[in-house]
Amino acid sequence: GENVEQHPSTLSVQEGDSAVIKCTYSDSASNYFPWYKQELGKGPQLIIDIRSNVGEKKDQRIAVTLNKTAKHFSLHITETQPEDSAVYFCAATSNSGGYQKVTFGTGTKLQVIP
Amino acid sequence: EAGVAQSPRYKIIEKRQSVAFWCNPISGHATLYWYQQILGQGPKLLIQFQNNGVVDDSQLPKDRFSAERLKGVDSTLKIQPAKLEDSAVYLCASSITGGRDTQYFGPGTRLTVL
Repeated sequence: GENVEQHPSTLSVQEGDSAVIKCTYSDSASNYFPWYKQELGKGPQLIIDIRSNVGEKKDQRIAVTLNKTAKHFSLHITETQPEDSAVYFCAATSNSGGYQKVTFGTGTKLQVIP
Repeated sequence: EAGVAQSPRYKIIEKRQSVAFWCNPISGHATLYWYQQILGQGPKLLIQFQNNGVVDDSQLPKDRFSAERLKGVDSTLKIQPAKLEDSAVYLCASSITGGRDTQYFGPGTRLTVL
């Protein structure tokens, strides 16, 4: 089955700096890579996603890059703000028996220091 | 648009007792997921329903866990009997088709087994 590794497990940055979270996946057939943000006491919420036919996608301060050859993808947050503090999960989606199966990474706890 | 609803939000039980969780997905969403999230880890898929049929329950401990989705809408997840290692947050999510579309998560039920 799919295996997703995520690094780092914790990340502290000063407000205004950039944050980068990296993930690798094992199944070359994976074709959809969402990123989720989970705040304390809440369920994960999708913040950005990228499909396998695209190398980069940007949405305001958030961008995601995908390297299919190396099987890794990254989340970039620029001009970080205190409200960006949360746990971030990457995920890889592959076809399993005709349905898409999502495998999550282990999470990165981001702390933005004011 | 109402989100995914879950109840209860918190539950504390003794080991060997039984417990049930309830989920009401977003109206019109065909796919429903139950995840187990142990503290400090990413969500792990337990079971995935497409309408009222199971499409993936490969990681569901079937000797103690069961789930059903009545009439393709609400769902319940049951644990009987509970073990200490079942302490976790149980997340319910739904998506429109189960393909490469967004999963919307509920707030989760935090289970503590003593």
